[in-house]
Amino acid sequence: DAGVIQSPRHEVTEMGQEVTLRCKPISGHDYLFWYRQTMMRGLELLIYFNNNVPIDDSGMPEDRFSAKMPNASFSTLKIQPSEPRDSAVYFCASSLGRQETQYFGPGTRLLVL
Amino acid sequence: DAKTTQPPSMDCAEGRAANLPCNHSTISGNEYVYWYRQIHSQGPQYIIHGLKNNETNEMASLIITEDRKSSTLILPHATLRDTAVYYCIVRPRGSSNTGKLIFGQGTTLQVKP
Repeated sequence: DAGVIQSPRHEVTEMGQEVTLRCKPISGHDYLFWYRQTMMRGLELLIYFNNNVPIDDSGMPEDRFSAKMPNASFSTLKIQPSEPRDSAVYFCASSLGRQETQYFGPGTRLLVL
Repeated sequence: DAKTTQPPSMDCAEGRAANLPCNHSTISGNEYVYWYRQIHSQGPQYIIHGLKNNETNEMASLIITEDRKSSTLILPHATLRDTAVYYCIVRPRGSSNTGKLIFGQGTTLQVKP
């Protein structure tokens, strides 16, 4: 199994630009999670989906952030407009069942200048 | 979810056992203890989990005290590749499980040659 795939691995952009992060979960997994990691706040859950439907988006910091899952094998996290404080590593994870082990992707390292 | 307390850092000699403690004194009867680790610049990796019995897999052993208020993750023969941040996480089971993984600050394990 290829594991969770994320792209791009690194992204550098300027403040105000739109940023789109992509995730392909492990085939057959029905839960997908987006996390953000910063030095100040550590790892925190942003949003998660079950069968492509957003279940809990209470961790999404503000309206500039949006996430979609158009099908079982693809999800996006979009930031528009981006700000320097959005600089972080964004991880996607998937699991087979809400209570089951979550498997993480390699992350996207985002730098907003 | 119950709070966990871990030492911020530990050292271990290569080839020796690494014993990583975790305190979860407020854990309830329906909460699991999970361990993840994060090697530098990678996504978190699942290691092991348990409810009340000791558990062992190919990566590690998990020892949970009888009162379940603390646990120890044991890496039997630590290698340089085990250098990472280790997270102890308490997760409820059943309908109380929201799917969210709450990561604390973890323990930075440095394996030295």
